Amino acid sequence: DVKVTQSSRYLVKRTGEKVFLECVQDMDHENMFWYRQDPGLGLRLIYFSYDVKMKEKGDIPEGYSVSREKKERFSLILESASTNQTSMYLCASSLGTTQYFGPGTRLLVL
Amino acid sequence: AQSVTQLDSQVPVFEEAPVELRCNYSSSVSVYLFWYVQYPNQGLQLLLKYLSGSTLVESINGFEAEFNKSQTSFHLRKPSVHISDTAEYFCAVSVVGNTPLVFGKGTRLSVIA
Repeated sequence: DVKVTQSSRYLVKRTGEKVFLECVQDMDHENMFWYRQDPGLGLRLIYFSYDVKMKEKGDIPEGYSVSREKKERFSLILESASTNQTSMYLCASSLGTTQYFGPGTRLLVL
Repeated sequence: AQSVTQLDSQVPVFEEAPVELRCNYSSSVSVYLFWYVQYPNQGLQLLLKYLSGSTLVESINGFEAEFNKSQTSFHLRKPSVHISDTAEYFCAVSVVGNTPLVFGKGTRLSVIA
């Protein structure tokens, strides 16, 4: 079974803090994705990566950056957290057409 | 650019009744279509997908969806729902040959005993 893990299920941070969300997949997938999920808005793509050290902006990259130093790990970075970044963050990986999702990290920024 | 519209944000239905969750998409090129399900406090799981071939696709737990190119729809149906089907359902589309998914806003299915 494909396994995508995210470092935290719940996270509370203060405005202005630098926040790291980690995602690891164990299936040697080329592609990895970060989404945020908000009620009534569905999932929106923040960044994705097709290979190590490669990254592409998604639909809402502002306020975020990413890092992919190893194939299995894709990190989402909030350089200076703001309250409007309070959300559920979902990581996914894929080799072909199907994306496999992690359990999500619910981030609260106070 | 592609877009997905899920016409109902919430669908309440009694147990053992049939249900249809509607999904329409917009794209100028060929697409792949997906339905994902999210149970409470969990990530998304793939329910079923249409890539090519037969326009009717089925999942292992009794759901089915039919790709209708002329109506640009991919509605999800189940003839008899169970309490355990209570979840949020997301329709998604990706362009053939490319993998980022575009999601609809989701439909919350509530099955009532």
